[in-house]
Amino acid sequence: QKEVEQDPGPLSVPEGAIVSLNCTYSNSAFQYFMWYRQYSRKGPELLMYTYSSGNKEDGRFTAQVDKSSKYISLFIRDSQPSDSATYLCAMGTGGGNKLTFGTGTQLKVEL
Amino acid sequence: SAVISQKPSRDICQRGTSLTIQCQVDSQVTMMFWYRQQPGQSLTLIATANQGSEATYESGFVIDKFPISRPNLTFSTLTVSNMSPEDSSIYLCSVGGQLASTDTQYFGPGTRLTVL
Repeated sequence: QKEVEQDPGPLSVPEGAIVSLNCTYSNSAFQYFMWYRQYSRKGPELLMYTYSSGNKEDGRFTAQVDKSSKYISLFIRDSQPSDSATYLCAMGTGGGNKLTFGTGTQLKVEL
Repeated sequence: SAVISQKPSRDICQRGTSLTIQCQVDSQVTMMFWYRQQPGQSLTLIATANQGSEATYESGFVIDKFPISRPNLTFSTLTVSNMSPEDSSIYLCSVGGQLASTDTQYFGPGTRLTVL
């Protein structure tokens, strides 16, 4: 079993839809949870960062962490074609240690 | 967040040769990381490069194949040695965030390597 599981997609939604992206993990030591967005032929861009359980909102993006279920989510409201990218979840235990990444979910928002 | 650049952005190389990838950051950072990203796979950490100490390699990666230099707090290089087609991949450098406890990392644009 992989330490972090993420559905690779592709996920195709119409413009304006609410998108839900998810990751599950097995390591209970993870404390820091991140979402990265990666456009084609670009490096990953840090989108959201959350510590421990709870929600964090930034514009159209909301990150949720449920440590009891070992489940994290990224919600995108009013999705736009410019949101079309691969979204990677990442997790760390703290102290500047290495991150563990999901495989990424490819999202396409269609007009 | 730091601004990170990588050179070259892409290259096509012959089997058996070596390529050195450069990573430049616009501010001083303690921790730098090198990753490999193969199609359909997650980012795989190759090594952690801290200034003033030898790089720490992950399981499956060895210094002879992927020598790393970290001469100062803004620069690092990764060399892919004696390349084979299996080394074709995207190579990414990243730096640790200002708050080391958060584990956040910021990535460069990547180097797309094709080995023939």
